[in-house]
Amino acid sequence: DIQMTQSPSSLSASVGDRVTITCQASQDIKNYLSWYQQKPGKPPKLLIYDAFNLEAGVPSRFTGSGSGTHFTFTISSLQPEDIATYYCQHYDNVITFGQGTRLDIK
Amino acid sequence: QITLKESGPMVVKTTQTLTLTCTVSGFSLSSSGMGVGWLRQPPGKALEWLAVIYWNDNKRYSPSLRSRLTITKDTSKNQVVITLNNLDPVDTATYYCAHRRCGGGSCYNTFDMWGQGTMVTVSS
Repeated sequence: DIQMTQSPSSLSASVGDRVTITCQASQDIKNYLSWYQQKPGKPPKLLIYDAFNLEAGVPSRFTGSGSGTHFTFTISSLQPEDIATYYCQHYDNVITFGQGTRLDIK
Repeated sequence: QITLKESGPMVVKTTQTLTLTCTVSGFSLSSSGMGVGWLRQPPGKALEWLAVIYWNDNKRYSPSLRSRLTITKDTSKNQVVITLNNLDPVDTATYYCAHRRCGGGSCYNTFDMWGQGTMVTVSS
């Protein structure tokens, strides 16, 4: 089974900061990777699919990159409404999530 | 507008079988490429995928839960049902159903629309 290792598990940053989260796959997953944002008490929201494609309506400050085994999710300028937990997800016939990164304001 | 809504019991006893229903609108369960997945999230923990069912009735299950899960769909009722047997307190979680993303002629096992979730507590 493919394992997804996400880091860091938690992160504090200031408004306006550049924030980066990484996700490492245990084997080559090509670009079959998504990023989600989840706020407390809400379902996840799809932000990025196929490693770098921005879902419709998602602000351009969110970007994704990578392929193979190493992936990066970046918020170019952190906004207060970005406080949430972020998950990477590998998708194929079997679906695997990372353990999540909890992001809060410093 | 695509919507999904989960329904089912809030509390179930250990060793019993959990049955949850996802009622969908805004799309057809028989549309080519369509898929609906079930996922769950224990309190304070990460998301976990359970199963997905496709428009052609093909199914995929989480390897770790395969022996306990069954997913079915009723196209006429716009419903997808999942059952999880032999319940244990570790199965306590919010259970979500979600719509498989399709676009540009391709479909992926990533989920662009989610229900609000239903919290299930397993107790003895």
